[in-house]
Amino acid sequence: EAQVTQNPRYLITVTGKKLTVTCSQNMNHEYMSWYRQDPGLGLRQIYYSMNVEVTDKGDVPEGYKVSRKEKRNFPLILESPSPNQTSLYFCASSLSWQGSQPQHFGDGTRLSIL
Amino acid sequence: GQQVMQIPQYQHVQEGEDFTTYCNSSTTLSNIQWYKQRPGGHPVFLIQLVKSGEVKKQKRLTFQFGEAKKNSSLHITATQTTDVGTYFCAARHTNAGKSTFGDGTTLTVKP
Repeated sequence: EAQVTQNPRYLITVTGKKLTVTCSQNMNHEYMSWYRQDPGLGLRQIYYSMNVEVTDKGDVPEGYKVSRKEKRNFPLILESPSPNQTSLYFCASSLSWQGSQPQHFGDGTRLSIL
Repeated sequence: GQQVMQIPQYQHVQEGEDFTTYCNSSTTLSNIQWYKQRPGGHPVFLIQLVKSGEVKKQKRLTFQFGEAKKNSSLHITATQTTDVGTYFCAARHTNAGKSTFGDGTTLTVKP
């Protein structure tokens, strides 16, 4: 089944403890992206990757890192999480970076930073 | 940067009433996509509009792209309880990987 898989689905942690949210897609998609969703603010793009080893900042990249060493994986790293990073996070992928391709979303990861 | 404004933020309707959400951009868009997110779920792609003045229909849903390609709308005729959720418009930048979503319109339907 074609899908985008995120792990973990839920995480409660403390300020400053490094964490990684994994994202994997099995559709051979070139483009992958991370979003955070906060009430009233819609989906805001954190980082995106147009292909392996090609990543760039979205609208809210501060406090996050990403890497794209393999086509299928695009982990989101919070080196020193803070409470303002408490949010619902979505990973998405599409066939290519070109704007005409629809994005396929994972089920989301709910992070709580205490 | 590119901004996409979406209104209204919330809409409560009685089952059977119509519903419309509007999306407006500060710049001309190459295309616009619409997504639906059910409560507790993830956004799911509905449709994409590319041409100026384009109108597309999916059963009771009608999508329009403005002549100037700066605005778009989604209209649902005779809402049903299965229509509940948040509807997002999204603009993908043509020469880069950036993607901008509207803030969404959350629809609730009273049976």
